[in-house]
Amino acid sequence: DIQMTQSPSSLSASVGDRVTITCRASQTISVFLNWYQQKPGKAPKLLIHSASSLDSGVPSRFSGTGSGTDFSLTISSLLPEDFATYYCQQSNSSPWTFGQGTRVEV
Amino acid sequence: QVQLQESGPGLVKPSDTLSLTCAVSGYSISSSNWWGWIRQPPGKGLEWIGYIYHSGTTYYNPSLKSRVIMSVDTSKNQFSLKLSSVTAVDTAVYFCARRRDLAFDIWGQGTMVTVSS
Repeated sequence: DIQMTQSPSSLSASVGDRVTITCRASQTISVFLNWYQQKPGKAPKLLIHSASSLDSGVPSRFSGTGSGTDFSLTISSLLPEDFATYYCQQSNSSPWTFGQGTRVEV
Repeated sequence: QVQLQESGPGLVKPSDTLSLTCAVSGYSISSSNWWGWIRQPPGKGLEWIGYIYHSGTTYYNPSLKSRVIMSVDTSKNQFSLKLSSVTAVDTAVYFCARRRDLAFDIWGQGTMVTVSS
């Protein structure tokens, strides 16, 4: 299985901050990397697919980069509704696997 | 709009079979998509269980493959999950989701299943 490791596991930030979360795959996955946002008690929401493609309706303050084994998700200017847990997920090979999550908190 | 809704028992006894159904509305399950199940133990991360095509073709997580059966009912526009021989480690929120290309783009709200006697 491909292991996905996110860092940090949690971070404290303020409204307006620029936040970057990284995700590293245990082997190369090309650009088959997705990012999800999950709020407490809710289902995950797809933010970015194929490493850098914003899903429909996702605000442009979210962006993703990377290929191979190293990826990042950046929120350019944090809004109150962005405080949540973020997960990366690889779809290069079965079984699809998720990172352990990064909690973005005040 | 497309909506997915999980349903099933919230409490399952150890060694029994967990059975869940995901009803799809606003979209035909026979369209060119796969349909998946993902679970999340309390306070933990996400685990992919598997996905199924409307033809019945399935792909399962090898870690669960011996205990999982997924099926699809196109006449009811729904798909189902059965997980046998459950133990406490199977306690989780179970989500169904639509797979679009290589991502899960629409999710159900999730249903909590507790394994306990």
